[in-house]
Amino acid sequence: SQQGEEDPQALSIQEGENATMNCSYKTSINNLQWYRQNSGRGLVHLILIRSNEREKHSGRLRVTLDTSKKSSSLLITASRAADTASYFCATDAAGRRALTFGSGTRLQVQP
Amino acid sequence: NAGVTQTPKFQVLKTGQSMTLQCAQDMNHNSMYWYRQDPGMGLRLIYYSASEGTTDKGEVPNGYNVSRLNKREFSLRLESAAPSQTSVYFCASSEARTSGRNEQFFGPGTRLTVL
Repeated sequence: SQQGEEDPQALSIQEGENATMNCSYKTSINNLQWYRQNSGRGLVHLILIRSNEREKHSGRLRVTLDTSKKSSSLLITASRAADTASYFCATDAAGRRALTFGSGTRLQVQP
Repeated sequence: NAGVTQTPKFQVLKTGQSMTLQCAQDMNHNSMYWYRQDPGMGLRLIYYSASEGTTDKGEVPNGYNVSRLNKREFSLRLESAAPSQTSVYFCASSEARTSGRNEQFFGPGTRLTVL
């Protein structure tokens, strides 16, 4: 079963707008990571947030983590057409030795 | 550095045929992983290796075998391919022995079709 579930499954916005994606998970985690996948390519790591952190920034990316709600959000500000991709959250759950990936959010940024 | 490389990029097999997917990384990482990705889904872990000489089953290991040949290379073998194994296969590596502590680096994937 998927540990992380992203919401929405698909998102279409105009260039310049902000995009927000959410991830919910079920068990306690050590950290949560976000990855991007361009069509036909492998995944690329974007950002890691540890369980004792609440917010993290990297360029136009902002990630929040609410361990009480077992949820995380990824905000991409001032989106660009090049941000068009699928975005996955992945959890490093306590007691497990590997990441568990969600099913992803497909983001389409219209120029 | 090439990062994580995978061969082949594409493969078509008939049911019952066997093949080995090759993966190599040049980042001196300890942990390596094999995932499969089916349409509209996230990645599911097949097998992983926390260090040279060790391998462990992931979420969907049935029908697959792996070999951690050395620190650089981690191969995935399908002994008798089935149509249900049609998928895109990704290899990944990370620095940590206990996986999940660090980011994973992914190869470009192998697109496998089993007829």
